Order: sequence, then C-alpha cells, then structure tokens
Amino acid sequence: SQQGEEDPQALSIQEGENATMNCSYKTSINNLQWYRQNSGRGLVHLILIRSNEREKHSGRLRVTLDTSKKSSSLLITASRAADTASYFCATDVTDSWGKLQFGAGTQVVVTP
Amino acid sequence: KAGVTQTPRYLIKTRGQQVTLSCSPISGHRSVSWYQQTPGQGLQFLFEYFSETQRNKGNFPGRFSGRQFSNSRSEMNVSTLELGDSALYLCASSLVPSGSGQGNEQFFGPGTRLTVL
Repeated sequence: SQQGEEDPQALSIQEGENATMNCSYKTSINNLQWYRQNSGRGLVHLILIRSNEREKHSGRLRVTLDTSKKSSSLLITASRAADTASYFCATDVTDSWGKLQFGAGTQVVVTP
Repeated sequence: KAGVTQTPRYLIKTRGQQVTLSCSPISGHRSVSWYQQTPGQGLQFLFEYFSETQRNKGNFPGRFSGRQFSNSRSEMNVSTLELGDSALYLCASSLVPSGSGQGNEQFFGPGTRLTVL
C-alpha cells in the first residue's frame, strides 16, 4: 500500500491562479519531500520539510506539514503554464534505507 | 555540480532478453536507489545500494538485480525480460540513505525508458 496519497488526483487552473495539493501519509516520518515530473521524465526535487518543521518556502512554493494529522500541502502561487506537471509527495521513514514512499501524484494543468 | 545521469535513455528489447541500466550519482553521494515507474503501479522501490552493499530491496522478483561500484556508480540488470517490465526506470542518489535518521534529499536522474516487445 502507498504511504503517501495525494489529493486531488487532477487539478486544472489558469495562469496566475494558485494551485494547492495535499498529501496524507500513514506512519511517522523523518521528512517529506515534494517532486515535480514533466511528462514521463525524471523527478525534479522541489522541497524537503523535516518532521520538526511546520512550513517552508522556496520561491513560489509553500509547503506545510502537520504531523498530528499526518498530512502536508504544497501551494504553488501565481501558476505559470510551465508548472504543468505531475506532483508527488514522498515520505522518508526511519529504517527505510533508501526507500522513499511515493503517492500516486497530482496532475496539474495550467492553461494560459 | 553535475546531476544524476542515467544511460541509456531509451531501450527497446524483446521478451527473454536481458538488459543493464547504468546510473552515475551526484559527486560525493554514496547512496543510490532504483525505482520502477509504470502507469498502473506508480513509483515502486527496487533496491538501494550504499558503500557497494545492497541495504534494502523492494518486492520484485530475482530477475531484477543490481550492484554498486567503488566510485558509487550503480547498475541494475533485468534478466529474462517480460512485457510487464516495460517502464521508466529511475535512479536517485543521496549523500546517505533515506531513513537513516538524517534528513537529506534524494535527487533523481532523467530515467531510462525500457520497452519490451
């Protein structure tokens, strides 16, 4: 079973709008990482948030983590057409030795 | 710093053949993880190597194997290919393995797209 599950599965917005996607997970984590994937290519690392952090920012990205609810959210502000991609959350669990556990991803389409 | 590189980028093989994929991690990274990505199963963990030793293995048959060299470069091999092995194979590197208690990022390569006919 997947550790992380993203919601929604798909999101369609217009340029300039904000995009928010959520990730829920099941077990305690060391950290949670968000990735972007464009059309079947490699995963691009966006941001890592540690279990003792609540919020992190990177450019137009804002990530929150609520360990009590076992959930995280990724906000992309002022979306651009180039943000069209699939977004995945991945959890780093103690003793998982190199294994990040991924959700199914959120497909985001940003139309001009 | 150069990113993770994977070769080849694309492969077409027929059933029953075997294939070897290569991954060069970011300089200084000692942990290499492999994942298989398919539309139906998503991203699934294959195995992880650290200091030339396999530390973790996912739920894949023995036809899937790998190794890591002293320079941290890694290869994975799939023998007796099946149609279901068609997938994007992704390699990721990190300074130390995820789950070791130290928060560090896994950086992915561009992947090798394997098609089995």
